[in-house]
Amino acid sequence: AQSVAQPEDQVNVAEGNPLTVKCTYSVSGNPYLFWYVQYPNRGLQFLLKYITGDNLVKGSYGFEAEFNKSQTSFHLKKPSALVSDSALYFCAQDNAGNMLTFGGGTRLMVKP
Amino acid sequence: EAQVTQNPRYLITVTGKKLTVTCSQNMNHEYMSWYRQDPGLGLRQIYYSMNVEVTDKGDVPEGYKVSRKEKRNFPLILESPSPNQTSLYFCASSSGSATYNEQFFGPGTRLTVL
Repeated sequence: AQSVAQPEDQVNVAEGNPLTVKCTYSVSGNPYLFWYVQYPNRGLQFLLKYITGDNLVKGSYGFEAEFNKSQTSFHLKKPSALVSDSALYFCAQDNAGNMLTFGGGTRLMVKP
Repeated sequence: EAQVTQNPRYLITVTGKKLTVTCSQNMNHEYMSWYRQDPGLGLRQIYYSMNVEVTDKGDVPEGYKVSRKEKRNFPLILESPSPNQTSLYFCASSSGSATYNEQFFGPGTRLTVL
């Protein structure tokens, strides 16, 4: 079974500093990878996806993610964090077609 | 406004009392899915549907039923709820395959089974 790991339950960063939220996936040929964000009392919102092509994927709200096949990682990054970026972030991998496997989530706290 | 709606948003019930959580989308999406969210476990897929009258089990289907009689609706049915089904439930939809396309999520239904 495929699995997605988010090794950090929480990431703390100061406003204006770069942020990274880590994600590793299980090996499966050509993985399809996603990042979603969940704000308090809301459903998940799509941030970005990697299907194929350029290893650096740009998404919404200034976020980007780097696909690294050798390390089986898909870390989410942003050059300059905002307080409003504080939320719960989920990495997800396609699971043999039409099923997504989600990581456990990472809470991002951006402090002023 | 394009959206996925769920009802009810909050529900407290007792063990064994059948319940249905409704899900509706107005984007003409083929794909719909149900997830449950539990702390530390992320989201786990319960059931999904590729189109009308086509449903498949996800990772945690036990204790749940679904139906897809119309394209816009995908209700989740708990025939005999148990306390271990206390969770936050999300419905989602996407255009075509969920492998390639972003999913749009509903606002969630918080279910407590006593």
